[in-house]
Amino acid sequence: EVQLVESGGGLVKPGGSLRLSCAASGFTFSSYTMNWVRQAPGKGLEWVSSISSSSRSIYYADSVKGRFTISRDNAKNSVYLQMDSLRAEDTAVYYCVRTNTGSHIAAAGTVFYYYMDVWGKGTTVTVSS
Amino acid sequence: SSELTQDPAVSVALGQTVRITCQGDSLRNYYASWYQQKPGQAPVLVIYDKNNRPSGIPDRFSGSTSGNTASLTITGVQAEDEADYYCNSRDSGGNPNWVFGGGTKLTVL
Repeated sequence: EVQLVESGGGLVKPGGSLRLSCAASGFTFSSYTMNWVRQAPGKGLEWVSSISSSSRSIYYADSVKGRFTISRDNAKNSVYLQMDSLRAEDTAVYYCVRTNTGSHIAAAGTVFYYYMDVWGKGTTVTVSS
Repeated sequence: SSELTQDPAVSVALGQTVRITCQGDSLRNYYASWYQQKPGQAPVLVIYDKNNRPSGIPDRFSGSTSGNTASLTITGVQAEDEADYYCNSRDSGGNPNWVFGGGTKLTVL
């Protein structure tokens, strides 16, 4: 069964740090780009960060750039999110998500498509004094 | 970065058809994907690519795109379809980031 399991959430004071982990199983982890997506209480989904299969390409949302660091260990089938200088607005459920890709031939040529096909159940981060 | 716009709420009578839309410039370059989220649960992918459904998603769910607008259509809505629906796509603003719509709460009457 394809599965992502997050851990590491909890209560932390503003300015503090937390490290989230995501353990993958049931698929060839080293072949996929992985993401963190968060959802603040009562709000919508927000993409946080992506890391390519080889860790060569890493991207962050502007809201977390310079404070969060994404990494992965393909030998351990795991992806991580180091969160520093946490703020109240970082309070959210954090989901680990797999990116999948595909392509097909269209009139204009090859069309590539991207989607988030596997989601973990999430881990809750609360930033409060 | 790009933005995706969704209507905050839509309601539909049981058994009828509903269309949920998502608008944004990134959709001129990338297909939207659609996710269903029920209270207290993680999102679930329901539509990707031009109009593909993952295994296990009923065929009453379908997708389409025209210009900068993507649509999710549910034909013959069931009570269990009541949920929040989110669209997303890659960001066409220069970085390979992702952008989500604000979500549409679907109420089944």
